[in-house]
Amino acid sequence: AQKITQTQPGMFVQEKEAVTLDCTYDTSDPSYGLFWYKQPSSGEMIFLIYQGSYDQQNATEGRYSLNFQKARKSANLVISASQLGDSAMYFCAMRERNYGGSQGNLIFGKGTKLSVKP
Amino acid sequence: NAGVTQTPKFRILKIGQSMTLQCTQDMNHNYMYWYRQDPGMGLKLIYYSVGAGITDKGEVPNGYNVSRSTTEDFPLRLELAAPSQTSVYFCASSPRQGNSGANVLTFGAGSRLTVL
Repeated sequence: AQKITQTQPGMFVQEKEAVTLDCTYDTSDPSYGLFWYKQPSSGEMIFLIYQGSYDQQNATEGRYSLNFQKARKSANLVISASQLGDSAMYFCAMRERNYGGSQGNLIFGKGTKLSVKP
Repeated sequence: NAGVTQTPKFRILKIGQSMTLQCTQDMNHNYMYWYRQDPGMGLKLIYYSVGAGITDKGEVPNGYNVSRSTTEDFPLRLELAAPSQTSVYFCASSPRQGNSGANVLTFGAGSRLTVL
């Protein structure tokens, strides 16, 4: 079973509108972290936002917010006021406390390609 | 303010050749990782290291080797290159994980490898 599922291969959004990118995860570990990374066409991986499993409030970073629904095991990324520069691949990732003996490794989803239309 | 530096950015190999992807970080991070990204896919862990002298296999280690003689360097060795190793390779590093758990990975710019 996939640990991280991103069901939207591609998304379109109009400039200045908000968009939600879906991410569901699967874990039995009570302690885990959820991350979103952005990969523009240039290829680098850019960290956007983090949510810990014990965090009481949804994480926010500027125009990015994470809609964390623990019971549903979902961690959707919300981008407000989309900009042309937001066009990129977006990856959801999870770190479990005891995954494979590594305490830092991230498990990635397959990504969602976001295209912002002017 | 270099962060994680990978070389080379691009390389074409013939089947059976060997090469080393270099990775250096200047943030004094304990943890380092090598991932590969195949087209249309997320990243998969090849090897990781929790400190100098300590390495361990990730999800897809076959065909690769690593070493970690210093905190800064974490080279990835490809022996007997095969077309299946055509991919984009990312090196990453993170500080020692504390109880807070945020421990963000910082990635290098990637190395695009083609095996023909």
